[in-house]
Amino acid sequence: QVQLVESGGGVVQPGRSLRLSCAASGFSFSGCAMHWVRQAPGKGLEWVAVISNDGNTKYYADSVKGRVTISRDNSKNMLYLQMDSLRAEDAAIYYCAKDLSGGWTPDYWGQGTLVTVSS
Amino acid sequence: EIVMTQTPLSSPVTLGQPASISCRSSQSLVHSDGTTYLSWFQQRPGQPPRLLIYKISNRFSGVPDRFSGSGAGTDFTLKISRVEAEDVGVYYCMQATQFPRGFTFGQGTKLEI
Repeated sequence: QVQLVESGGGVVQPGRSLRLSCAASGFSFSGCAMHWVRQAPGKGLEWVAVISNDGNTKYYADSVKGRVTISRDNSKNMLYLQMDSLRAEDAAIYYCAKDLSGGWTPDYWGQGTLVTVSS
Repeated sequence: EIVMTQTPLSSPVTLGQPASISCRSSQSLVHSDGTTYLSWFQQRPGQPPRLLIYKISNRFSGVPDRFSGSGAGTDFTLKISRVEAEDVGVYYCMQATQFPRGFTFGQGTKLEI
């Protein structure tokens, strides 16, 4: 079955960087676009970024554009999110999610990894 | 940017009774390819979101048939025909029609018994 396991979250100071990872299994990873979606504590969902199946096309939410880079390694079935110049408002649970083929919709989601931004 | 507005934000429900959540978009969600990319997600307490419905009315794999989606243009509805205890949680609508300018979620509707 589809499994997505995020890692890399933790406590980081404002202005510092963090790289999140997502290990995928149970489906054809190289055949699927992938998303990152975040959820601040007690708040709603916010889409962050998406990457095409081959990694050549990437799109970002305006709130993170220029500070965040999504990437993937299809040889390792891994998805990444490099976050730089972190701000207090970036604190959230970060979920990776597989895209529903042809649906432009995150279908399967991981359990998430928590990022806390604090001095 | 398309704004998604859900009503109500909180909905007390009775087990065995129907429930309905509305989602309205600030612009038509009909994509140039003719498809409307409107989805519904359920998030149970302490869990990640779960896809229920995509493209307005298509139930995702494993989703009980008591869940149904409908609507067109800017107005959409998620219906639960008979609420069960496991349906407690927060429900979100999401549009992807404006992609690649972004995917937008509604604020969420809390369903509570």
